[in-house]
Amino acid sequence: QQQVKQSPQSLIVQKGGISIINCAYENTAFDYFPWYQQFPGKGPALLIAIRPDVSEKKEGRFTISFNKSAKQFSLHIMDSQPGDSATYFCAASSKRDDKIIFGKGTRLHILP
Amino acid sequence: KAGVTQTPRYLIKTRGQQVTLSCSPISGHRSVSWYQQTPGQGLQFLFEYFSETQRNKGNFPGRFSGRQFSNSRSEMNVSTLELGDSALYLCASSGREGYGYTFGSGTRLTVV
Repeated sequence: QQQVKQSPQSLIVQKGGISIINCAYENTAFDYFPWYQQFPGKGPALLIAIRPDVSEKKEGRFTISFNKSAKQFSLHIMDSQPGDSATYFCAASSKRDDKIIFGKGTRLHILP
Repeated sequence: KAGVTQTPRYLIKTRGQQVTLSCSPISGHRSVSWYQQTPGQGLQFLFEYFSETQRNKGNFPGRFSGRQFSNSRSEMNVSTLELGDSALYLCASSGREGYGYTFGSGTRLTVV
């Protein structure tokens, strides 16, 4: 019940296309859903996050869509660029449990 | 505001040796978590410290240990190193448990 399932494991998208990464969770106590972006040789960096009281959050080309009833959330990268090539991790955390659970990551490659 | 600092950045050790890694969190952050990252395994949670107390622990053998000092700086120690311990070790600090994790750039440990 503590798992966060992330898919796909890897993704190749043409420059200018839309990249979509999906995550699903079981624990209904989760109340914060961040996405992290990691470039080679660097630690993950917080990209965007959402709380379950909203269904969508947009920051520039990055959008999180959240479906509370389905217990799913996804990251959409619009107009994907080669510089977006990185590994993306979704995560979920709960103030009650004081834990953050990460998905296994998606390696995204944007073709120039 | 300085970020999370991990030292050293790179380390090469021989099987059977022990190693100590250091993490200085963002000023004011009291929670420090450690993760092991290997190709294909995502972020594996090691342990979390808060106010010098280990609050959560992952499923790693007792060879992996850690501690946190009164200034919130943390160290992790791995004894009797094995080849499989080769990984990127990441430290993350949080000012509020489970929210807004900030990662360091990691320590790349190679065991030969």
